[in-house]
Amino acid sequence: KNQVEQSPQSLIILEGKNCTLQCNYTVSPFSNLRWYKQDTGRGPVSLTIMTFSENTKSNGRYTATLDADTKQSSLHITASQLSDSASYICVVSGYGNNRLAFGKGNQVVVIP
Amino acid sequence: NAGVTQTPKFQVLKTGQSMTLQCAQDMNHNSMYWYRQDPGMGLRLIYYSASEGTTDKGEVPNGYNVSRLNKREFSLRLESAAPSQTSVYFCASSALTGGGYNTGELFFGEGSRLTVL
Repeated sequence: KNQVEQSPQSLIILEGKNCTLQCNYTVSPFSNLRWYKQDTGRGPVSLTIMTFSENTKSNGRYTATLDADTKQSSLHITASQLSDSASYICVVSGYGNNRLAFGKGNQVVVIP
Repeated sequence: NAGVTQTPKFQVLKTGQSMTLQCAQDMNHNSMYWYRQDPGMGLRLIYYSASEGTTDKGEVPNGYNVSRLNKREFSLRLESAAPSQTSVYFCASSALTGGGYNTGELFFGEGSRLTVL
């Protein structure tokens, strides 16, 4: 079973609307969680990285939250733009190893 | 600042042919990684190099070999390509932040799209 599960798998939203992406993980012990944005045909680019002591972190219109107790994270996109169309990948790092657990990504399509 | 550069961007091979994917980073990072990305699956680690002179197997190493040529360069070789190796390959690098575990941001290349016929 994948250690990182993301939902929804895909969604379509209207330009200007908000949306929230979910990431649940089972990695333990936990070190940090990252959200990456991957545009079609490009490599992933980091949006946020959070350690267990951080609950919220923002990067422009992107706000990530983390609940280390329930092992859940969310990525909220505010006032979506066409350029937000991409796959958003949740990546979790376990403490004490050099391995990362990747989710399959949330595919977001923003339409005018 | 180029970041992580991969070559080639596209390649078509016949079954049984060999090839090497090249990766170079100019950020003075210690760690480098090779991933493959397939439709409907998350990024999967093939091999990684925690520091110059060391390499370790990842999740899906079969059919691949790697070389950490120096601190900047990390190559991935397919000795005898198979159709199952059709994929998009990403090289990444990061700066270890200490304690022997990776808490740093991963910087990815733009990917190498490989088709094996």
